Amino acid sequence: GAGVSQSPSNKVTEKGKDVELRCDPISGHTALYWYRQSLGQGLEFLIYFQGNSAPDKSGLPSDRFSAERTGGSVSTLTIQRTQQEDSAVYLCASSWTSGSTGELFFGEGSRLTVL
Amino acid sequence: SQKIEQNSEALNIQEGKTATLTCNYTNYSPAYLQWYRQDPGRGPVFLLLIRENEKEKRKERLKVTFDTTLKQSLFHITASQPADSATYLCAPLDSNYQLIWGAGTKLIIKP
Repeated sequence: GAGVSQSPSNKVTEKGKDVELRCDPISGHTALYWYRQSLGQGLEFLIYFQGNSAPDKSGLPSDRFSAERTGGSVSTLTIQRTQQEDSAVYLCASSWTSGSTGELFFGEGSRLTVL
Repeated sequence: SQKIEQNSEALNIQEGKTATLTCNYTNYSPAYLQWYRQDPGRGPVFLLLIRENEKEKRKERLKVTFDTTLKQSLFHITASQPADSATYLCAPLDSNYQLIWGAGTKLIIKP
């Protein structure tokens, strides 16, 4: 499809396990964002990638969270040693450029439940 | 710190009436502000962008205003329809050129 694709759509894991969430942005989009959305809350910025520049990791809540973007396209968000407070919907978005007036195109999200 | 406030209570509007949603921000002056729509279980979808030097922006039945003195944006849907029921998110640009997101206002249009 032409939109942002995320997988898995749902993930249930046990506390302490590692999880990987994948985002396939729209082809040609140079900026890619990860957000976290908890029930009834606004989107919480986690990390963003812009072209070949060093990613802005300022929103990552702890060192258990990391993300990569390979070849300027697909991105993977990894959460190590998951905790119950990590339960949320993880949204990925891409855009043509960052810090501009470009709209963000979102995926449908990956719902993570940590038991 | 930079803060965004949207109506936390759901807004119930009769079909055909105009719905007005409020977004207030404090402690900064965004160069522009975006509005998104989010349906349950889906990602947000972009609706409109308004710049600080624009008072008003329209798109079909949607209208957004931006009052930099009041530090407020209003989002209007005229001739509202049940299909307009969703959560609407306000996202001003912060001083680091990133969007800051409000928690959203849930809009319910009753037939």
